[in-house]
Amino acid sequence: EPEVTQTPSHQVTQMGQEVILRCVPISNHLYFYWYRQILGQKVEFLVSFYNNEISEKSEIFDDQFSVERPDGSNFTLKIRSTKLEDSAMYFCASSEIEFGELFFGEGSRLTVL
Amino acid sequence: DQQVKQNSPSLSVQEGRISILNCDYTNSMFDYFLWYKKYPAEGPTFLISISSIKDKNEDGRFTVFLNKSAKHLSLHIVPSQPGDSAVYFCFGAGANNLFFGTGTRLTVIP
Repeated sequence: EPEVTQTPSHQVTQMGQEVILRCVPISNHLYFYWYRQILGQKVEFLVSFYNNEISEKSEIFDDQFSVERPDGSNFTLKIRSTKLEDSAMYFCASSEIEFGELFFGEGSRLTVL
Repeated sequence: DQQVKQNSPSLSVQEGRISILNCDYTNSMFDYFLWYKKYPAEGPTFLISISSIKDKNEDGRFTVFLNKSAKHLSLHIVPSQPGDSAVYFCFGAGANNLFFGTGTRLTVIP
């Protein structure tokens, strides 16, 4: 069964460092999303991406965040200068059609020290 | 491996009737379950949750039932309203991770 894969599963970084979280969506999917969950809190939407551009983003997704689909298979989330409060589990998701089934990866846990 | 499954991608219900969205899971270690709904072009919003030690939680028109022996939970919306039309996601949560169902699109017909 096709699945969304994310790497790394866990990353520990120093405050102020850049972090790139990678996602490989299901191959025929066109819509991509990043969500995050801070420990003990609810899942939060970050950004959606379609046709090589951001289609929607939340207030959380400020100038420190960026997304990219560099090579047609990977979908990356970059945090330019990490803060302590960026520590969370980050989930990538993809869907074939805009409002179709949404398949999630298992998440990348980011710990900022 | 899909640890949380929503086997119905879509559901249509008449306004005023009951909507029942179903979710099955395989991981008996989940501590709690959540339902989120997502409107088109918006991020998901939290709807209701249930701890694994309970079998029912109710909040207004929304009730979630948990059957641990069957590893099944369901969300009931009574009465359904057109504004309930959205995609509904079931999540299973353990100590350090969260597993998502693929969603069920609910359409409430006026």
